[in-house]
Amino acid sequence: GQQLNQSPQSMFIQEGEDVSMNCTSSSIFNTWLWYKQDPGEGPVLLIALYKAGELTSNGRLTAQFGITRKDSFLNISASIPSDVGIYFCAGRYGSGYALNFGKGTSLLVTP
Amino acid sequence: SAVISQKPSRDICQRGTSLTIQCQVDSQVTMMFWYRQQPGQSLTLIATANQGSEATYESGFVIDKFPISRPNLTFSTLTVSNMSPEDSSIYLCSARTGLTDTQYFGPGTRLTVL
Repeated sequence: GQQLNQSPQSMFIQEGEDVSMNCTSSSIFNTWLWYKQDPGEGPVLLIALYKAGELTSNGRLTAQFGITRKDSFLNISASIPSDVGIYFCAGRYGSGYALNFGKGTSLLVTP
Repeated sequence: SAVISQKPSRDICQRGTSLTIQCQVDSQVTMMFWYRQQPGQSLTLIATANQGSEATYESGFVIDKFPISRPNLTFSTLTVSNMSPEDSSIYLCSARTGLTDTQYFGPGTRLTVL
């Protein structure tokens, strides 16, 4: 599979702060997806992006599909304690349907 | 979207035994996948479960170790055979609907091998 570079690896922030994380690839991707995983649960889809330049919001979350199709970012505004978890980027490239995952960003939010 | 359930949710097994994990989707889906997530790690694709034919395995995974069935468009099983402690992981089922290029995940099966 294609290696995705996700950063930062972890973040420790205060409630109310904004958060930004990103994912890059050496290959052109057709789809970028962002997931959140809570302990003991499966990943939950947050945002799906399907074309270059696309900017999509889901509540306080905003994600963009990079113009080069090799990167994507996720922003979380005004973080709250329930935003705690691990955020994964995932992408699909070429003609296959399987997803390649980043290594995840662990987010901790203090009240 | 698709709602996915998995059974069992967790299990503790002895080395050398096998465990079959079931995955049920609440609607017909075009594709189903099985992933492994080792402790503190990201997700790694094991195989694509093909309906009516043999699964397609990723490099490093073989059918003898991880036999997969998919008898219809809503159900699949993954067996972890001849288990060793290195097989201790979370095993996740996912499904791709035909409407969008999106995958939804089940809650996972947390396997511990002693």
